[in-house]
Amino acid sequence: QSALTQPASVSGSPGQSITISCTGSSSDIGGYNYVSWYQQHPGKAPKLMIYDVSVRPSGVSNRFSGSKSGNTASLTISGLQAEDEADYYCSSYTSGSHVVFGGGTKLTVL
Amino acid sequence: QVQLVESGGGLVKPGGSLRLSCAASGFTFSDNHMSWIRQAPGKGLEWVSYISSSGSTTYCADSVKGRFTTSRDNAKNSLFLQMDSLRAEDTALYYCARGGGNYPSVYWGQGTLVTVSS
Repeated sequence: QSALTQPASVSGSPGQSITISCTGSSSDIGGYNYVSWYQQHPGKAPKLMIYDVSVRPSGVSNRFSGSKSGNTASLTISGLQAEDEADYYCSSYTSGSHVVFGGGTKLTVL
Repeated sequence: QVQLVESGGGLVKPGGSLRLSCAASGFTFSDNHMSWIRQAPGKGLEWVSYISSSGSTTYCADSVKGRFTTSRDNAKNSLFLQMDSLRAEDTALYYCARGGGNYPSVYWGQGTLVTVSS
């Protein structure tokens, strides 16, 4: 099972919006609505930000939103804040009941 | 509050074995699927394994198949990862997480570091 494809880095200024893409295949993202997004700050455990493509867990800011089209999922962060600077990982349920992660995207807030 | 505390990591020689544990509290452990996820130093997340709430079903990544075994003791609220035939590429911070499969990993422990080196 190959890792999902994410851009290595994205950046944006405070207040702007950015979108991180996550591309897979019909065996993972395209085949199931079980895409999750995790935020990880340096030295910390990952934090779930989005699950089931577009659902925000309780306590996660509504500045974070998720979507999917075909084999590509996207995470959008609006109104960028300095605290959003972190690594972001997508994951998807796959055929065979496995889970696959993306390679991660480093978000820099300029 | 939900707590997941991993233990058992350390330095081991290639070909050696290690058993990781994850102590769970703050939720009904026996009702939840669990997972192990690892992160090599400076690298991304890699799913390792999944175990169903009852322990009757397990899945693991191809990279560890035949070498790693996931189990749980619901009476002791504990999750385990038996790692045999360890390789240098198994060096990573190992997280246990509540959830797995098509259930999101909402809660994560802080991880336990496994280093495989001669």
